Amino acid sequence: DAKTTQPPSMDCAEGRAANLPCNHSTISGNEYVYWYRQIHSQGPQYIIHGLKNNETNEMASLIITEDRKSSTLILPHATLRDTAVYYCIVRDNYGQNFVFGPGTRLSVLP
Amino acid sequence: DAGVIQSPRHEVTEMGQEVTLRCKPISGHNSLFWYRQTMMRGLELLIYFNNNVPIDDSGMPEDRFSAKMPNASFSTLKIQPSEPRDSAVYFCASSLRGAANEQFFGPGTRLTVL
Repeated sequence: DAKTTQPPSMDCAEGRAANLPCNHSTISGNEYVYWYRQIHSQGPQYIIHGLKNNETNEMASLIITEDRKSSTLILPHATLRDTAVYYCIVRDNYGQNFVFGPGTRLSVLP
Repeated sequence: DAGVIQSPRHEVTEMGQEVTLRCKPISGHNSLFWYRQTMMRGLELLIYFNNNVPIDDSGMPEDRFSAKMPNASFSTLKIQPSEPRDSAVYFCASSLRGAANEQFFGPGTRLTVL
């Protein structure tokens, strides 16, 4: 079973920041938070991951709360091409399984 | 690099036939994953190889499914005999040094079993 809960869908205006939340209240100390996205008819694409510090790369920022029970993926300037299903996953470095839940379907609107 | 390559991209077959899906991972990656995606069950991990050795096949649904990785640049997922409920998109992914690292997914094979 997925260890995360995400809203099923969200809308965002083009050019605005998209903030996608994820709850992972049962996360353990050695588990990382990963984000992937899947654009329609394509394979999932890695976005970012982190343990407890906030992370930023060319695609997005990941904000993890101090208690690590939740996180937010931020797309700073959403474009129409960011319309996709976004998956939040928690796992440790030794676990074999990425469990993809239903994710959040983000629609970026013109 | 061309990324993860899967073939065929689409496969339509009749119930009872054997189906073989193929995957070429990214050169230099030593971990390979097979996933299945359906509307009902979402994206599920079927099997995971590390250095060509199957590490976890607990996701393989039943004995009709088998996967091999004869060398570092090729893997197959075989279904024999196929059933309509096997209809799905099958993704292959590869990564450097295990499941903890970023996984790169192929474009998938859409399988339809009539």
